[in-house]
Formats: sequence, C-alpha cells, structure tokens
Amino acid sequence: AQRVTQPEKLLSVFKGAPVELKCNYSYSGSPELFWYVQYSRQRLQLLLRHISRESIKGFTADLNKGETSFHLKKPFAQEEDSAMYYCALLNQAGTALIFGKGTTLSVSS
Amino acid sequence: DSGVTQTPKHLITATGQRVTLRCSPRSGDLSVYWYQQSLDQGLQFLIQYYNGEERAKGNILERFSAQQFPDLHSELNLSSLELGDSALYFCASSALGGGATDTEAFFGQGTRLTVV
Repeated sequence: AQRVTQPEKLLSVFKGAPVELKCNYSYSGSPELFWYVQYSRQRLQLLLRHISRESIKGFTADLNKGETSFHLKKPFAQEEDSAMYYCALLNQAGTALIFGKGTTLSVSS
Repeated sequence: DSGVTQTPKHLITATGQRVTLRCSPRSGDLSVYWYQQSLDQGLQFLIQYYNGEERAKGNILERFSAQQFPDLHSELNLSSLELGDSALYFCASSALGGGATDTEAFFGQGTRLTVV
C-alpha cells in the first residue's frame, strides 16, 4: 500500500530553534516525494521535491530509504515559517499525489 | 497566483442540499484533482480526472461525484449534504497522467463549504 504518515499534528518551537517535521512513507520501489506548504490564508504550494535535492527557504529534506523517511529540516526556525506542512508521495501509477495529514508548525518568539 | 481558479470561495448551505464546486485548471494542464481538507483528516484525495476521463479515485463518498468537461474545467458535485461535509475543498492541476515528467501540482485557493 502507498501511504504517507506525518505523526505530529502540531509542532511548536521557538524562533532560532532547529525544526524537524517527520514524514514516513510506504511504497514499493523508488518513491518520488515532496513537501508542500500552506501559509495562513494562502493556497497550498510546493516547497521542495527530493529529486531536486534543493534547499528552499533554508529547508532541506533527505530521502532515507532504509528508514522510509523524508523528514523536513531547518536549522534555525523563523516566525514566517509558521504554516501547515504536507508531505506527499507520487503514486505508483505516477498520476496522483498522496498526501499525509499534515503538520502545523508554529514558531514563536 | 498558481493559475488554478476555484469558485465560489465560500458556500453556506443546509443539510440535505446539493452544491456544485467549480475548478478551472492551469493553462495546459490536463489533470485535475479534488481534495478535501478538514481539521480531523488533513488533506484527503478525492478524485482525479485526466483529459475528461476519471483516472484515479480516493476516499470519495458515493454522495459526491465529479466530472471534467471538454474545456478541461471540472466540477465537484456534493449531494445530500451532512454537517460532516463541512470542509475546505481544493482543486489542483498538473501535467501528470499523460507521461509528463513535471510532477508539481498547482493548487487553487479552495472553496470553504459550511453545512448548517
């Protein structure tokens, strides 16, 4: 079965603290994974994808096939990072994205 | 602006009623997806259409149906509405489904449905 699990519904950190948003997946083969972000009153948008191996707004995510994880990390959180974060997996057919339930990140000063 | 347009932005209706949500995809995208976002369940995939044909089905109730028209816009029909159907309904579009390598999905701003 193809599944994305985000175990934390809410993550609260102080500004400047490191952040790690957890994502685990279930998939046969080589997965294609993404992180999407939804800021308050804005539409959901792509943050980063693992195949690009990029860093966006200081966030990075590494695919760990052994642990079937794709955790999102940032060394120093900023207040503007407060948002809802969704981990997503491209389905086996390559036709649709399967999302996790999302984690709300709250960064306070 | 993602290029995906959803109407209406807000909808308030009574239980038992039927509503239609509309989505215009980004220019050139043949795939349209519908998602339901609620506090309890997060972002739930409902259904996908590609160039007018149903391509994938998720957790869509029998009371819900969708279609994609020749001009590629899509409608999500929700009938016999219940209080629990209150949620934000998102439409997304992408080039997925036709062998395209661009797998990014572009989301609309959503329709907030409130059933009273």
